[in-house]
Amino acid sequence: GAVVSQHPSRVICKSGTSVKIECRSLDFQATTMFWYRQFPKQSLMLMATSNEGSKATYEQGVEKDKFLINHASLTLSTLTVTSAHPEDSSFYICSARGGWDTEAFFGQGTRLTVV
Amino acid sequence: AQTVTQSQPEMSVQEAETVTLSCTYDTSENNYYLFWYKQPPSRQMILVIRQEAYKQQNATENRFSVNFQKAAKSFSLKISDSQLGDTAMYFCAFIWVNTPLVFGKGTRLSVIA
Repeated sequence: GAVVSQHPSRVICKSGTSVKIECRSLDFQATTMFWYRQFPKQSLMLMATSNEGSKATYEQGVEKDKFLINHASLTLSTLTVTSAHPEDSSFYICSARGGWDTEAFFGQGTRLTVV
Repeated sequence: AQTVTQSQPEMSVQEAETVTLSCTYDTSENNYYLFWYKQPPSRQMILVIRQEAYKQQNATENRFSVNFQKAAKSFSLKISDSQLGDTAMYFCAFIWVNTPLVFGKGTRLSVIA
């Protein structure tokens, strides 16, 4: 299957700082990328959908000023957690799709810990 | 809105035995796709199997097969000859047109030696 690379896999940051997470589709063009958050032993919660070259669409309850998403090219999307707080600590997963009728491929996930 | 329901939070199976994970969904659409994803302890999401709604034939991938009942909106996953490496969270997912995947809450499967 196609490869989606997410980096970093783990990050620890201080409260009040910002963290950027990258998601790259390595061998296909991702017209749409998705960002999820996953709490322990729970399902994936969609945060936002981004299409290349346009603004991300955020799910209800997700602060777009805190979770900045950029999808500048067909192979790269970034999620920046701004002014991180301990409650932002979580597992974040990106997903990319080449077309609507294809399966979504997932990055390895990023475990964010805010101290 | 589309919803996906997995009614079994946890299941266990003996190694080499067969287990079936249940999934039901709700949609008014006719053309859509269904998936089963596996999330092992590494937390990497891995596609197990996919089913196109317009196909009547049930999808199979080696030891994994589905029982797709479109009228009943049911999409169960059967794992045959269970292996220890099958221990994971399993998520049923639905997609329609250019919408994000809709996931069920997951079933935690433990394969016991």
